[in-house]
Amino acid sequence: EVQLVESGGGLVQPGGSLRLSCAASGFTLSGYAMHWVRQAPGKGLVWVSRINSGGTTTNYADSVKGRFTISRDVAENMLYLQMNSLRAEDTAVYYCVRGRGAAWYYDFWGQGTLVTVSS
Amino acid sequence: QSALTQPPSASGSPGQSVTISCTGTNSDVGAYDYVSWYQQHPGKAPKLMIYEVNKRPSGVPDRFSGSKFGNTASLTVSGLQTEDEADYYCSSYAGTSVVFGGGTKLSVL
Repeated sequence: EVQLVESGGGLVQPGGSLRLSCAASGFTLSGYAMHWVRQAPGKGLVWVSRINSGGTTTNYADSVKGRFTISRDVAENMLYLQMNSLRAEDTAVYYCVRGRGAAWYYDFWGQGTLVTVSS
Repeated sequence: QSALTQPPSASGSPGQSVTISCTGTNSDVGAYDYVSWYQQHPGKAPKLMIYEVNKRPSGVPDRFSGSKFGNTASLTVSGLQTEDEADYYCSSYAGTSVVFGGGTKLSVL
């Protein structure tokens, strides 16, 4: 059974850093692209970042480029999102999602972890 | 990376059909047959309902269908059921990113 379990969310001050983790089970990360998608409270879904199945290519939304870094540990089957220079507008539930095909659609989602950026 | 445009709300009675539109540009919806639709119930993670414009994952009822014409994609829900009441989001591949719509709250009256 495919499962994605995020952790690492919490309250952080503006300008601070946080690292989100996503434990994948039921499949191996080396076979799939993985993405992070976020959702601010009461708002819509926003794509954040992607790492390809080979781990060699990463992509970022303009709003997080230069501040966030996506990575993975294939041996541990873990996906990460390092978030630096956090801003109030980064406050959201962050979902770890499994990407499929050239269409970059998402067939499995984690339950999400809440990041709150506030002083 | 501008969001796709969806109506904020839609509604229908049980048994009726409703269609939700999703308008993008020549750089996303119009450029690729890579539109997806997700259903999200309150407090839950989104669920994939349609991918690649009109394909249904295993387990999604055939009451859900998708289509696209030009820069606008559509999700049609036929034979509305109370459990279809949820938020629906479209998304499109856009080259090196993904863009989502703002979401449509579907009410089953």
